[in-house]
This record gives sequence, C-alpha cells and structure tokens, in this order.
Amino acid sequence: AQKITQTQPGMFVQEKEAVTLDCTYDTSDPSYGLFWYKQPSSGEMIFLIYQGSYDQQNATEGRYSLNFQKARKSANLVISASQLGDSAMYFCAIPNAGGTSYGKLTFGQGTILTVHP
Amino acid sequence: EPEVTQTPSHQVTQMGQEVILRCVPISNHLYFYWYRQILGQKVEFLVSFYNNEISEKSEIFDDQFSVERPDGSNFTLKIRSTKLEDSAMYFCASIRREGLIDTQYFGPGTRLTVL
Repeated sequence: AQKITQTQPGMFVQEKEAVTLDCTYDTSDPSYGLFWYKQPSSGEMIFLIYQGSYDQQNATEGRYSLNFQKARKSANLVISASQLGDSAMYFCAIPNAGGTSYGKLTFGQGTILTVHP
Repeated sequence: EPEVTQTPSHQVTQMGQEVILRCVPISNHLYFYWYRQILGQKVEFLVSFYNNEISEKSEIFDDQFSVERPDGSNFTLKIRSTKLEDSAMYFCASIRREGLIDTQYFGPGTRLTVL
C-alpha cells in the first residue's frame, strides 16, 4: 500500500523568500510518481507539479521545484520567491500505478503555508 | 484548457435525505474518481470507476454510496441517506491513462453540509 507522510503541520515564510515543504513516501511500485497539490482557502485542489521516479532531473514548474531524493524516499516541494497568494494548504500525493487501483491517489496530511508580508 | 466541473458548489441537506453530486470529467478521459475531505483533514479516496463499473472502493464507500455514469459526460455520486458525518468536501477527478502515470485533475469540489 502507498503511504505519504508530511511532518510539518504548518510553515511560515517571509514574502520573497524560499520555503521547503517536506514529503516522504513509501510504495512497492517499481515505477511511480509524486504529485503536489495546492488547496487555497476557497477549497479547490490545484495541481502544481509532478515528479516521475525515473526522471533524470528534478521537476520544475515556474517557482515550484521538487527536491527528489529517491534513495531517501523524499520529494520535497521548494517554492522560491514566496508570494502572499502562496498561503494555502499543500498536499503531497502518490498514485497507484496499475491494476484496478490505477490512478488512485493517496494523500499526505498536508502542510499549511502562511506567507508573511 | 479542459477542466473537470462539479455541481452544485454547495449543498445543504437534512440528515436522512438523499443527495446526488454531479461531475463532468474532461471529455476524453477514461478513469474517474471521487474523493472526500472532511474539514481540516486530508483528502481520502472513495471510489474509482472505469469502463462503466467500479474498479475499486474504499472502506468509506459503504452501501449508502453509489456512483453512476448515466450518459457520456456526467459522473454522479449518490448518498442515499445522509448522516452528519457525511459533511465534507467531495472532489471528482479524472485521467485518461496515456502512460504509466497520468496527472489527475480535480474539479472544484462540492461542499456538502448535513444538518
């Protein structure tokens, strides 16, 4: 079974600074992916970034990047140049890669990020 | 850009009433999912649906829940007799399955309040 752990219930960062949100995972799939989603106070789930386990490079999407350390089973999200609009809940998630459970996402507990001006 | 849509955005109901939550997945997607998020908690998988049948369901998805794809576009979640603990945000998601891993896009959610 897939498992995701986010150990930081809340994080604070000053506007324009970088912040790292931690995520560790456990899976028996030989190939897998990791997703990060943002959930603002309005409630929707917004896809941010994806990392494949066999990708040679860490994923980047604008101000978002992943610090993927496969041997440590961690996929930490780095947000550079934080903005006030980055204040939200952030979830790390891992999908099932095959069989009848294909695509089913297992989520971590989430980290609430607060950006201070 | 194609997106998953959900209606209604908010639903308030009395305990014991039936509710139907509606989702329109992205048109060329083949796999559909419902998730639930109780306020302040993590997102939990409810059910996955492929080829017009349930492919997996969680322990939460008991006999009071059902899903249906009544036509080529809608995907519904029915709760037959709502309980107070069903109050949550319900998300629909869909993927196409183009490779080993697909990005799963979520609808905006339906906030269900059971009184």
